[in-house]
Amino acid sequence: QLQLQESGPGLVKPSETLTLTCSVSGGSMNMKDQNWAWIRQPPGKGLEWIGTVDNDGSTYSNPSLKSRVIISIDKSKNQFSLNLSSLTAADTAVYFCSRDFHWELRFWGQGTLVTVSS
Amino acid sequence: EIVLTQSPGTLSLSPGDRATLSCRASQSVRDNHLAWFQQKPGQAPRVLIYDASRRATGIPDRFSGSGSGTDFTLTITRVEPEDFAVYYCQQFGSSHSITFGQGTRLDIK
Repeated sequence: QLQLQESGPGLVKPSETLTLTCSVSGGSMNMKDQNWAWIRQPPGKGLEWIGTVDNDGSTYSNPSLKSRVIISIDKSKNQFSLNLSSLTAADTAVYFCSRDFHWELRFWGQGTLVTVSS
Repeated sequence: EIVLTQSPGTLSLSPGDRATLSCRASQSVRDNHLAWFQQKPGQAPRVLIYDASRRATGIPDRFSGSGSGTDFTLTITRVEPEDFAVYYCQQFGSSHSITFGQGTRLDIK
């Protein structure tokens, strides 16, 4: 059973850069057709896609966030990461990582709450 | 960018009732790659249905999905107490893009 686990700071200051890592276990990141996604959910609100990295390392991101998002993958460490820059209070959210395999987001991390505050 | 609009915003039902949730897309969903998720407080979303009508592994058969193009429906034939939650539809667009509907809350009447 594939498992995903987000890690990173719970509190970051405005204007700083958030770095989150998603560790993948119970399966191989080398399997073909897997894509790895970041999704967030502000408190009490809906889900928002941040971006995706495919198995070849190509990245795709939400146009509303594109200029601030960098996503990378390190298959040797079974991890993929999110960098989100120029943070504001509007970036306060639970951040989830997930696997997109054949257009199904079956496996998700438990989510990590990130608060942007001075 | 495809916008997904869910209705109703809140659905109040009693256990044993039939639930019908709607998701309408602003443009045709590519290859009907439309999924439904259930989310309970403090938990990650759980996929119920993918590709519009395929039930995910381990999902009870009281959950079913239908529709194509721009109009999709999630039906729960007989709502169980554990089904009261928020439900989201989600589609895959071009370049691996993902969009979600705003959610429907299923409440106990």
